[in-house]
Amino acid sequence: KNEVEQSPQNLTAQEGEFITINCSYSVGISALHWLQQHPGGGIVSLFMLSSGKKKHGRLIATINIQEKHSSLHITASHPRDSAVYICAVRIMGAQKLVFGQGTRLTINP
Amino acid sequence: DAGITQSPRHKVTETGTPVTLRCHQTENHRYMYWYRQDPGHGLRLIHYSYGVKDTDKGEVSDGYSVSRSKTEDFLLTLESATSSQTSVYFCAISESDRETQYFGPGTRLLVL
Repeated sequence: KNEVEQSPQNLTAQEGEFITINCSYSVGISALHWLQQHPGGGIVSLFMLSSGKKKHGRLIATINIQEKHSSLHITASHPRDSAVYICAVRIMGAQKLVFGQGTRLTINP
Repeated sequence: DAGITQSPRHKVTETGTPVTLRCHQTENHRYMYWYRQDPGHGLRLIHYSYGVKDTDKGEVSDGYSVSRSKTEDFLLTLESATSSQTSVYFCAISESDRETQYFGPGTRLLVL
């Protein structure tokens, strides 16, 4: 079983819809990251959080440490949000990140 | 954008040949990482460095070696490439192991 599980694996929605991508993990962590991989392959870090909630533009990331769960929300989705969204965790005491397999999001106009 | 470049960006090679990938940064970050990305596996850590000449193995280090002789360069070497090493390789950097990682553009390697 992977230490980091994302759901759904694939998500297709219409422009304007509210999007939620989930990440669950099975180990103690010191931080959780959300990344975005563009269709061209480039990877961009969106958020790093260890508690509560962070917001940047139309993106919101939340984490519940007790439930070992994080969500990434996109409000008023747009076709340019189409990408693979990757969750990664830093395991407590480790220097490395463990990555989920990613969620492929497609927003249709 | 963080100043990270990878070279080459694309490479086709034959089984059994040595291959070296280069990651170059202009940010003076202490930590550098090499990942591979394969369908169905997500990103997996190959090796990382926490300073000049300081490196450690990741979860998929077999068949790979690394070197870091100066802060800005982190080299990944496949001593004898195999078809299973066909992948997309990403370099990343961070100021510390607790900070955000910034990724390079990736190198697409095909081993025939």
